[in-house]
Amino acid sequence: NAGVTQTPKFQVLKTGQSMTLQCAQDMNHEYMSWYRQDPGMGLRLIHYSVGAGITDQGEVPNGYNVSRSTTEDFPLRLLSAAPSQTSVYFCASSFTGEGYTFGSGTRLTVV
Amino acid sequence: AQSVTQLGSHVSVSEGALVLLRCNYSSSVPPYLFWYVQYPNQGLQLLLKYTSAATLVKGINGFEAEFKKSETSFHLTKPSAHMSDAAEYFCAVAPPRYGGSQGNLIFGKGTKLSVKP
Repeated sequence: NAGVTQTPKFQVLKTGQSMTLQCAQDMNHEYMSWYRQDPGMGLRLIHYSVGAGITDQGEVPNGYNVSRSTTEDFPLRLLSAAPSQTSVYFCASSFTGEGYTFGSGTRLTVV
Repeated sequence: AQSVTQLGSHVSVSEGALVLLRCNYSSSVPPYLFWYVQYPNQGLQLLLKYTSAATLVKGINGFEAEFKKSETSFHLTKPSAHMSDAAEYFCAVAPPRYGGSQGNLIFGKGTKLSVKP
């Protein structure tokens, strides 16, 4: 039981490049979400999903896309990276109403 | 709308002293409340949660929190700080049955705890 696995752990992108942050969970959780963490800002919700095929926007969705084709996977795509997207990204999953399980994060730098 | 406020972005205590991290919430319905801990370069780990059962909630590593509806507070305490408690702590609020259309977890901005020897 690996929990929530995020890859890569570190990434440097040039402005305008695209990439996908991977997130996988093996706990059969129906709910998955992506947060970004910036100093002094806490965690802000980007996108979330309540099950395969269902996604919705969170507080800061601009510049990001998601899809949920399986229960296990919830990738986050950056369409055209900008320096403002430099952040630490966390994926989390849960059963509805239970505590979230977080991945270990992806530290992204956009130059 | 729900929100959570953590008072003090940095708290410093001596080893063996009481730890008190403050959290106040606003919610239109009785909420679920959580405390998470984040060690450097790691993800968030659930310390404890309040889900409308007992108002005093015990968590891992000797931490506990008390839900006080009259004060809209959910402060985190530990009687005696240890060096290993140095980390960042996040309070979070959610409506019951949160997740997706039921609402999401809303985090405070965090309190960094330092423990002096």
